[in-house]
Amino acid sequence: QKEVEQNSGPLSVPEGAIASLNCTYSDRGSQSFFWYRQYSGKSPELIMFIYSNGDKEDGRFTAQLNKASQYVSLLIRDSQPSDSATYLCAVKDFGNEKLTFGTGTRLTIIP
Amino acid sequence: EAQVTQNPRYLITVTGKKLTVTCSQNMNHEYMSWYRQDPGLGLRQIYYSMNVEVTDKGDVPEGYKVSRKEKRNFPLILESPSPNQTSLYFCASSTLKASEQFFGPGTRLTVL
Repeated sequence: QKEVEQNSGPLSVPEGAIASLNCTYSDRGSQSFFWYRQYSGKSPELIMFIYSNGDKEDGRFTAQLNKASQYVSLLIRDSQPSDSATYLCAVKDFGNEKLTFGTGTRLTIIP
Repeated sequence: EAQVTQNPRYLITVTGKKLTVTCSQNMNHEYMSWYRQDPGLGLRQIYYSMNVEVTDKGDVPEGYKVSRKEKRNFPLILESPSPNQTSLYFCASSTLKASEQFFGPGTRLTVL
């Protein structure tokens, strides 16, 4: 059974600081990695995806992937109160449409 | 507007009373999927469909049925709901080999 592990939090970060969210996965065959943000009572929305080892930046968000360590992270720079949400890590195998989700990390940005 | 819609958004029912939660997408997506979300367990896939008339079980299919007779619709059927099916349900869709699945607004189901 494929597993995706996240620290459930809550993770509290001061406004303007860097928030670091981590995720590990068990299946070395996983090929694609996704970060979704979910506000309370709302549906998940995609923030970033990454396929290759290294860093991928999009605005204030940076996704980092290390396939050797089976580790993916999300950095949020200049954290804003609007970033307060639960962040879901998800993985997908090559040739398979199924997403396997972690349980999510609840992030709170403190003004 | 491109979207995934679900109905109803909220439902309270009693054990054993058959119900259907509808899901519809207007993006011509081939792939559709149902998830349930429970505290501490995250999002778990119930069933998915790669195209019309093609459906398969996800991780937690027991007690659920689906059908895909049209590309845009993917209803979730609970023939005999039980209290352990009380949950928040999400429908999602995407093109095949896509980088993003689009989620519906969710259906909060309570089975008494």
